[in-house]
Parts: sequence; structure tokens; C-alpha cells
Amino acid sequence: KQEVTQIPAALSVPEGENLVLNCSFTDSAIYNLQWFRQDPGKGLTSLLLIQSSQREQTSGRLNASLDKSSGRSTLYIAASQPGDSATYLCAVGIQETSGSRLTFGEGTQLTVNP
Amino acid sequence: IAGITQAPTSQILAAGRRMTLRCTQDMRHNAMYWYRQDLGLGLRLIHYSNTAGTTGKGEVPDGYSVSRANTDDFPLTLASAVPSQTSVYFCASSALAGTGNEQFFGPGTRLTVL
Repeated sequence: KQEVTQIPAALSVPEGENLVLNCSFTDSAIYNLQWFRQDPGKGLTSLLLIQSSQREQTSGRLNASLDKSSGRSTLYIAASQPGDSATYLCAVGIQETSGSRLTFGEGTQLTVNP
Repeated sequence: IAGITQAPTSQILAAGRRMTLRCTQDMRHNAMYWYRQDLGLGLRLIHYSNTAGTTGKGEVPDGYSVSRANTDDFPLTLASAVPSQTSVYFCASSALAGTGNEQFFGPGTRLTVL
């Protein structure tokens, strides 16, 4: 069974700092990996989707990398801002005979202090 | 409507009552999903539908049923609610059910069963 772990569970940094969030998964037979942002009491917002054949994806100040062989992904946030404060969730996509699935980590709660 | 809408936003329900959570998307996505999010357990897939007219069971389907009469709507029904079904429920969709497709989430329904 695929298991997804995110470390650290919580992170507090000063504004302007570059930071890295980590995601690891136990089964390397994934088809994609998706990073989400969740604000308190809100739904999930998709940030980046990395296909299994890709090594990284970039969107603005965000860069996500994928290393399937080691079962790891990182989300790099450059020049962090207070508005980046949220919970960041990693989800790996797997393919089953009945369709595709996402397995989620429990998230990293990020606080960026002004 | 833009994206995925869910109703109600929140609900308090007596145990034993029947409840249907509504989900509608306007993106003409083929695949739709229902997740529940619980502290310490993350997001878990309840049921899914790869295309209109088909449904399947996810990781935690017991006590829930779904239907997919058309492309846009994917209601989740609790036939006889129990307190362990207290959770935040998210509906999601993706263009296709196959690999590589990004999932988009609704704002969620917060359900409390007393």
C-alpha cells in the first residue's frame, strides 16, 4: 500500500527566506505527483503537477522536483511571503485497474512571519 | 459557476438521519471523486466515478453511496449517519480518469454528526 509522508509537519520561517518542503512515498510506481495548498477552513488549490516522466515543474516562486527512484519530491518556495502561510499537501497518483487514485500526505503547515 | 461547487457548506446532523452532500462541476470533467479529511488521517478517497454512469469504491466507502447520472453532478449520500462520519468532505474532479490528470477540488462541506 502506498504511503506518503511529509516532513516537517510544521515550519515557521521569517519573510524572505527560501524554504524546502519534503514529501516521500513508499512505492515508486507512481504516475504523477501533485502539490496542493490548503488555507484554513478552505478547499485544496492545485499548485503543481509533475508527471512521472518529468523531473521538475516551476510556477512563479514555486519549484517542485520529483525523484521516483528514491521516492521523494520537494517543493521549493523562493522569497517566502506571509501570504504563503498555509498547509501544503503532497499527493501521489497511482494507476489501478479501476482507475487512477491520489494518495495524500498529511501536509506541512507553513507559517511565514512578517 | 466556475469550477466545483459543494452544498451545503456545513451541516449538523443527528445520528441515524439520511444526508446527501451535493457536488457540481462545470468543467465537463469526466472523473469525479469524494474525499474525507480528518485530523491525523489526511484525505482519504471514499468513492469515485471515472465517467458518467459508472462509480467505484475508494479506500473508505462503508456507510456512503454515490451516483453519477450525468457529467456535472456527483452526490454523496449517507444513508444513516453515525458520529464517526463527522468530517470535512471534499469533492474533486479531473478531465480524465487516466494517468497524469490534475485533480481540482471544491471548497468542502463540514459535517458534524451528533
